[in-house]
Amino acid sequence: QQPVQSPQAVILREGEDAVINCSSSKALYSVHWYRQKHGEAPVFLMILLKGGEQKGHEKISASFNEKKQQSSLYLTASQLSYSGTYFCGTGEGSSNTGKLIFGQGTTLQVKP
Amino acid sequence: DAGITQSPRYKITETGRQVTLMCHQTWSHSYMFWYRQDLGHGLRLIYYSAAADITDKGEVPDGYVVSRSKTENFPLTLESATRSQTSVYFCASREIAGTMSYTFGSGTRLTVV
Repeated sequence: QQPVQSPQAVILREGEDAVINCSSSKALYSVHWYRQKHGEAPVFLMILLKGGEQKGHEKISASFNEKKQQSSLYLTASQLSYSGTYFCGTGEGSSNTGKLIFGQGTTLQVKP
Repeated sequence: DAGITQSPRYKITETGRQVTLMCHQTWSHSYMFWYRQDLGHGLRLIYYSAAADITDKGEVPDGYVVSRSKTENFPLTLESATRSQTSVYFCASREIAGTMSYTFGSGTRLTVV
């Protein structure tokens, strides 16, 4: 079963912050986050593994609560280049099986 | 060229025809995957492969066949195309260790008429 992302869509002004959530009904080994621009392939942002470590990438960071089977992506002081669709991909189970199940995506639009 | 390439980029086929989408990667990544992307559904896993000659079903495998005789190639075949298989298909690969990040191909937009 696909993880559930929320919200489905969000519109921001430049400089505003956003949070995208990803929730699974299954135990997770890992959570990946990807961004896809219109007409392009998804691009890797970051991976979080069991242990709850928060990862960061410039002004984009993420957390992983393995007990709740949830992850959140934090976009701080958003830029126009952050626009796109964000997908979480979950690695299910207690160890790395290699495959990811993706959520339905969250569309982010950043306006000037 | 290094990377992961998909062909064709665009394909129009008729209902009932067999069509094969190609995926080639130059990194010798062990894992390869096929996803389809439809509005409202995100990316759904069709089939994946952990190594040459090892494949397994994903979330939506019905109507599709895969093979992997060589590490670098992972073709996806629609045995008898249906309109519901109209979609954008992405191939991806990843390392067995390291960052474990996926790298996606540019996609194939398939239209079944």
